[in-house]
Amino acid sequence: EVQLVESGGGLVQPGGSLRLSCAASGFTFSSYWMSWVRQAPGKGLEWVASIKEEGGDKYYVDSVKGRFTISRDNANNSLSLQMNSLRAEDTAVYYCASLRSAYWGQGTLVTVSS
Amino acid sequence: QTVVTQEPSFSVSPGGTVTLTCGLNSASVSTGYSPSWYQQTPGQAPRTLIYNTNTRASGVPGRFSGSILGNKAALTITGAQADDESDYYCALNVRRGVWVFGGGTKLSVL
Repeated sequence: EVQLVESGGGLVQPGGSLRLSCAASGFTFSSYWMSWVRQAPGKGLEWVASIKEEGGDKYYVDSVKGRFTISRDNANNSLSLQMNSLRAEDTAVYYCASLRSAYWGQGTLVTVSS
Repeated sequence: QTVVTQEPSFSVSPGGTVTLTCGLNSASVSTGYSPSWYQQTPGQAPRTLIYNTNTRASGVPGRFSGSILGNKAALTITGAQADDESDYYCALNVRRGVWVFGGGTKLSVL
């Protein structure tokens, strides 16, 4: 059974940092592009970042460039999102997903507030 | 700026057929954009229905199908059921590594 399990969400002050993790199992993680997608309260889905299978190519939505870093550890089947200089508008549920296939996690909530 | 367009809302009668569409402000949607469709009910994570234009995800009923119709991607629900009442999102791979989601369609079954 395919599983993507996110962790690391929580409450952080504006300007602070947070690191999200996603543990993958049940599929050949190293063979898939992986992405982070977020959903602000009451809003639609927004793609945040993607990383190629071996980790060499990384892409970001403009609003997080220079603040967020996506990475992966294929040896441990894990995906990460380092989030720095957080803003109130980054408040959302963050999902780990493989958008070229059918795999999504259950999400982790990030709240940026003082 | 790349914008993916979806109908904000749609309604269908139980047992009826409905087609939701997914367009681009700047080009025609083709299979090269790897259109994907997701279903989401309140408080739940999105669930993949269709990926790569027309590949049904595991466990998805056959009444859901994906296609290209004219210059848009399309999700067709044939024989709609009450529990199909959800939000539906499409996503397009607009260039290498970059995806854009549509704003979502709220589907009512009534």
